[in-house]
Amino acid sequence: QQQVKQSPQSLIVQKGGISIINCAYENTAFDYFPWYQQFPGKGPALLIAIRPDVSEKKEGRFTISFNKSAKQFSLHIMDSQPGDSATYFCAASKSDYKLSFGAGTTVTVRA
Amino acid sequence: DTAVSQTPKYLVTQMGNDKSIKCEQNLGHDTMYWYKQDSKKFLKIMFSYNNKELIINETVPNRFSPKSPDKAHLNLHINSLELGDSAVYFCASSSSRGYTFGSGTRLTVV
Repeated sequence: QQQVKQSPQSLIVQKGGISIINCAYENTAFDYFPWYQQFPGKGPALLIAIRPDVSEKKEGRFTISFNKSAKQFSLHIMDSQPGDSATYFCAASKSDYKLSFGAGTTVTVRA
Repeated sequence: DTAVSQTPKYLVTQMGNDKSIKCEQNLGHDTMYWYKQDSKKFLKIMFSYNNKELIINETVPNRFSPKSPDKAHLNLHINSLELGDSAVYFCASSSSRGYTFGSGTRLTVV
């Protein structure tokens, strides 16, 4: 049973546009919500993460929005660049560090 | 200096063979993992070790056996390989700051 649901499966955005990926979870015990970026042939790399005591976290062009009551969180990629083309995974874990991943979103940024 | 390194990067083998994948991390993390990524890119945890002790063992066939000789190493041995074992296997280690993944081992069973 997938504990984190992610959408969309794929998206295409023009250079300079905004990419938005959404995730939802059921387990209220989750207390750590990271996003990972994966390029072909590479392992996932931590992009940005948030804990439920804040509603938003921004690092450069990447922003996580977190809605605890709705059990949803999202990744916004501002001013999308061709180098952002990758697969993005949301994830969630409890204090045991066991990460449950979403199914992934393939983002293609067209120049 | 690679943080989490796994070998080999590619592994092609016949059904029924036994193979091993090795993983080493130099980050000083106490916890290490094996994840399997299928053809649809879904990442699923297989095992987790904390300081050489098995702490997570998901529903994985007994043909898969992890071994952690010390907290910097976590190897994965697979017996009697099947076609369905073909996937990319990722080793990872973690701290409170998050996971660091290796670059993966693409296993192809023919």
